Amino acid sequence: TQLLEQSPQFLSIQEGENLTVYCNSSSVFSSLQWYRQEPGEGPVLLVTVVTGGEVKKLKRLTFQFGDARKDSSLHITAAQPGDTGLYLCAGRNSGGSNYKLTFGKGTLLTVNP
Amino acid sequence: NAGVTQTPKFQVLKTGQSMTLQCAQDMNHNSMYWYRQDPGMGLRLIYYSASEGTTDKGEVPNGYNVSRLNKREFSLRLESAAPSQTSVYFCASRELAVQETQYFGPGTRLLVL
Repeated sequence: TQLLEQSPQFLSIQEGENLTVYCNSSSVFSSLQWYRQEPGEGPVLLVTVVTGGEVKKLKRLTFQFGDARKDSSLHITAAQPGDTGLYLCAGRNSGGSNYKLTFGKGTLLTVNP
Repeated sequence: NAGVTQTPKFQVLKTGQSMTLQCAQDMNHNSMYWYRQDPGMGLRLIYYSASEGTTDKGEVPNGYNVSRLNKREFSLRLESAAPSQTSVYFCASRELAVQETQYFGPGTRLLVL
C-alpha cells in the first residue's frame, strides 16, 4: 500500500499570512492531485501535477511536485477566510493500477479574519 | 448538468439493518468509485468500477457490495449495518486521461446505532 503523509494535520492562521502544507511519500507517483473540501461537501480538484519539478500557480496558490515525484507542496500567499477547508493530496500509482487514487489524510486549514 | 448526485443525504440505521446508497453521474464517465471518509483517516476506497460491467475491491471492501447498474449508476449496499460503518460516503466518477479530474458527489452521512 502506497502511503501519502500530509503535514501539518491542522493549521490555524490569521488572514494575510502565508502558509505551506506538505504531502510526502516513499513511493513514486505518476501524478499527484490536490483537492479542497469544504464542510458538508465533496472534495473539489484544485490541480494535477505530472512532471517532476513541475510548478503550477492558481491565483494565490502555488503547487510544486518534487523532482523525484515522491512529494508535493502547496503554498498559499496572503491567506483569506475563503481558503478555509480540508486540503487533500492524492497520488496515482506509478506502475500500478491507473484506476485508483491514494489519498492522504488531509490538512485542515482555518483562516481567521 | 448535475455532475455526481447521491441519495440519500442523511440516513440513520439500526445495527443489522440493510440499505443501498445510490449514485448517478451525467458526465458519461467510464469509471466510478465509492469512498468512505472518517475523522483522521482521510478518504478510503471501498469499491470501484473501471467501466460498465466491472467492479473491483478497494482498500476497505468488507461489509459492502456494489452494483454497476449501467454507465450512469453505481450503488453501494450495506447488507447488515454495523456501528463501524458510521461514516460519510462519497461517490466519484472520472474519465481516463493523463490529467483527469475525479468528480465527487456531495456525500451521504450515515449513522449506525
